[in-house]
Amino acid sequence: GAVVSQHPSRVICKSGTSVKIECRSLDFQATTMFWYRQFPKQSLMLMATSNEGSKATYEQGVEKDKFLINHASLTLSTLTVTSAHPEDSSFYICSALGDRRTDTQYFGPGTRLTVL
Amino acid sequence: KQEVTQIPAALSVPEGENLVLNCSFTDSAIYNLQWFRQDPGKGLTSLLLIQSSQREQTSGRLNASLDKSSGRSTLYIAASQPGDSATYLCAVLPVGEYGNKLVFGAGTILRVKS
Repeated sequence: GAVVSQHPSRVICKSGTSVKIECRSLDFQATTMFWYRQFPKQSLMLMATSNEGSKATYEQGVEKDKFLINHASLTLSTLTVTSAHPEDSSFYICSALGDRRTDTQYFGPGTRLTVL
Repeated sequence: KQEVTQIPAALSVPEGENLVLNCSFTDSAIYNLQWFRQDPGKGLTSLLLIQSSQREQTSGRLNASLDKSSGRSTLYIAASQPGDSATYLCAVLPVGEYGNKLVFGAGTILRVKS
């Protein structure tokens, strides 16, 4: 089946630093990838839709200058949390749209970000 | 705006029991509904996807039904095992949503006791 990886799986950083998270589709090409964040015991909230070769589309309330998304190739999207603060601590999950006929999204394993 | 609700929020059952997880959505205009499993600190694993034209899907001990008109879906797990312990998430893909944006419920935390 289609596999999506994320790197790193876990990161701890100091407040004020920037953190980059990578999302890769390993065995298929994905023109569209999605970035979600998940707080403890809560559901996934869509942050933005990342389209290869174009600007990301952000959901209402998500700061695009805070969460920089780059989808430079058909297999890689990156999320950079700029000037991270403790309230940015969360579980970030990406997904890749693998099959437009069935609208199937394949999810990555997630990245746990802790900002001290 | 589409909203997805899952009941119960948490469930603890002894091994071997059959159980039902419920999912409801406010707008019946959906392309499909999907059930996912999430283990603690991990990503999502797709279990079953039901297209809007379908009534149910089965995979092994899992059976998911969809009643689009009433905005409900159930996930039935037969002969539960401790390895089934996880959070189960329901998500719908609304019609008219540009870009395949899924709307998730908050999940049901399942614990199967041995």
